[in-house]
Amino acid sequence: IAGITQAPTSQILAAGRRMTLRCTQDMRHNAMYWYRQDLGLGLRLIHYSNTAGTTGKGEVPDGYSVSRANTDDFPLTLASAVPSQTSVYFCASSETSGGSYNEQFFGPGTRLTVL
Amino acid sequence: AQSVTQPDIHITVSEGASLELRCNYSYGATPYLFWYVQSPGQGLQLLLKYFSGDTLVQGIKGFEAEFKRSQSSFNLRKPSVHWSDAAEYFCAVGSGGYQKVTFGTGTKLQVIP
Repeated sequence: IAGITQAPTSQILAAGRRMTLRCTQDMRHNAMYWYRQDLGLGLRLIHYSNTAGTTGKGEVPDGYSVSRANTDDFPLTLASAVPSQTSVYFCASSETSGGSYNEQFFGPGTRLTVL
Repeated sequence: AQSVTQPDIHITVSEGASLELRCNYSYGATPYLFWYVQSPGQGLQLLLKYFSGDTLVQGIKGFEAEFKRSQSSFNLRKPSVHWSDAAEYFCAVGSGGYQKVTFGTGTKLQVIP
């Protein structure tokens, strides 16, 4: 079982370019999340999805969009990348049963540099 | 709004020594609290979680944490640190409803021989 896969592993991108970070999970989790990790700031939630077909904004959604066409995939798109979006991006997923907060499972991350 | 504070950015301990990582939270009701660990170049992994009940929670890799409501704290402890424990540790609180959590800024642990 792979868990969560993210692609690419790393990417250098020119400012103004469009970029999609891919995330796929094989655990059939309903909820999925995108975080960015920056030095001294910890992890900040960008967007989330509680189930296929629904998405929501997190703490830092500006400049990012997501879609959730099916349970397994949750791509993150930067429509026009800016240098401040240089970061390490983590995708995560969790179950939604039990009515409480469940463990989140994280992918290995994508290191993105915007020049 | 819910928040988590990890006052120590970096901690260095000797192998075999005890460890305590501090976490303070701000939340109006009974919090859902977590500790995650991130090894270099990896994603985060859950160490332990607290929802209710016994305030001393046991986790994986020999870690434990104690919930103290009066101090709004959820400190992580380990009696004897191993070199493989060198990593970054994140405290988190369930926030904003329905599965969303807020992470602290992390504490990086260095273990010296």
